[in-house]
Amino acid sequence: DAGVIQSPRHEVTEMGQEVTLRCKPISGHNSLFWYRQTMMRGLELLIYFNNNVPIDDSGMPEDRFSAKMPNASFSTLKIQPSEPRDSAVYFCASRRGGGETQYFGPGTRLLVL
Amino acid sequence: AQSVTQLGSHVSVSEGALVLLRCNYSSSVPPYLFWYVQYPNQGLQLLLKYTSAATLVKGINGFEAEFKKSETSFHLTKPSAHMSDAAEYFCAVSTFGNEKLTFGTGTRLTIIP
Repeated sequence: DAGVIQSPRHEVTEMGQEVTLRCKPISGHNSLFWYRQTMMRGLELLIYFNNNVPIDDSGMPEDRFSAKMPNASFSTLKIQPSEPRDSAVYFCASRRGGGETQYFGPGTRLLVL
Repeated sequence: AQSVTQLGSHVSVSEGALVLLRCNYSSSVPPYLFWYVQYPNQGLQLLLKYTSAATLVKGINGFEAEFKKSETSFHLTKPSAHMSDAAEYFCAVSTFGNEKLTFGTGTRLTIIP
């Protein structure tokens, strides 16, 4: 059974460019979470969805960040425009309805120059 | 509100020695507790979880953890360390009905040959 899939695995871009990170949750899971990991701040929850609906986006840093989940098998996290301080590893996780465990993808390592 | 404190950002043990990674939690309601492991350049993998069943929980790779309500602790142990255990370990807490996971700051485990 495939786990959470994220793409790209690595992204290098220049300041001001748009960045789109993608996530495919585990089939049958109806909750999806986006996290950011940095040395300074550790693991931070950015936003999560239940049944494709955003439930809590209080962790989204600012308006430059946006996330969508157009269907049960796909989500995007977009940064526009990107800044060097956005450099981090971004993780997607999914969880089945009624379950306690979140399953993480391999992450996208983003470097903004 | 819920929170997790991991004591010791770095722990070093000799190969074959006991591994003890400490985690204390704070929660106003009965918690769900998790240990995740992160190998270099990889995502988080679930090691074990406590969800109000047996207080001694066994996980993968020979790890186990004991839930102690009186001490609000959920320490992770392994009787004999292997070189392959070198990684970063995260303790996390959530509660029934609260879909957010709150992570500790992580403990980097180094194994000395």
